[in-house]
Amino acid sequence: EDQVTQSPEALRLQEGESSSLNCSYTVSGLRGLFWYRQDPGKGPEFLFTLYSAGEEKEKERLKATLTKKESFLHITAPKPEDSATYLCAVNTNAGKSTFGDGTTLTVKP
Amino acid sequence: DVKVTQSSRYLVKRTGEKVFLECVQDMDHENMFWYRQDPGLGLRLIYFSYDVKMKEKGDIPEGYSVSREKKERFSLILESASTNQTSMYLCASNDPPLGDQPQHFGDGTRLSIL
Repeated sequence: EDQVTQSPEALRLQEGESSSLNCSYTVSGLRGLFWYRQDPGKGPEFLFTLYSAGEEKEKERLKATLTKKESFLHITAPKPEDSATYLCAVNTNAGKSTFGDGTTLTVKP
Repeated sequence: DVKVTQSSRYLVKRTGEKVFLECVQDMDHENMFWYRQDPGLGLRLIYFSYDVKMKEKGDIPEGYSVSREKKERFSLILESASTNQTSMYLCASNDPPLGDQPQHFGDGTRLSIL
């Protein structure tokens, strides 16, 4: 059975304090790994797609990396507006998406 | 920008009612999806559709049905609403092939069944 586990469940940072979110997965036939951001009362918003181990993507203060078993979302010098829930989803060759439970990030000024 | 619009942000219904949730996307996407999102359980796929009048069961289809009469519109139907269907419902769309493309989500319908 495909499984996606995100850790930690919640993360509180001071503004400027860099950290990483983890997404570990067990799937048969990885097609792609997706990171989304979800603000309260909103639907998830797409951030990155990673397709193969070793791949990295960057956008502003966020950087996503991928290995054969996990992905990291690195947040450098976060700001309060980075506060949100970050979701990881894994797509398989069968076309199925499995989502993790998310990490809720709070950045204090 | 892709826009996925869900007809209601909040909905309150009674047990036993037939409930319709509507979703419209404006990017001519082939695939459309319905999920429910519950604390501690993440997003779970209810149904998806890869073409007009085509549908496939997801992980938790029991108690739900769907309709896709037009490419841009995908409806979720709760045949006889029950309290355990109280949840946040999210609609999404993308282009094929399944698995390659990110999904674009609506802002959700928070449904309460009393």
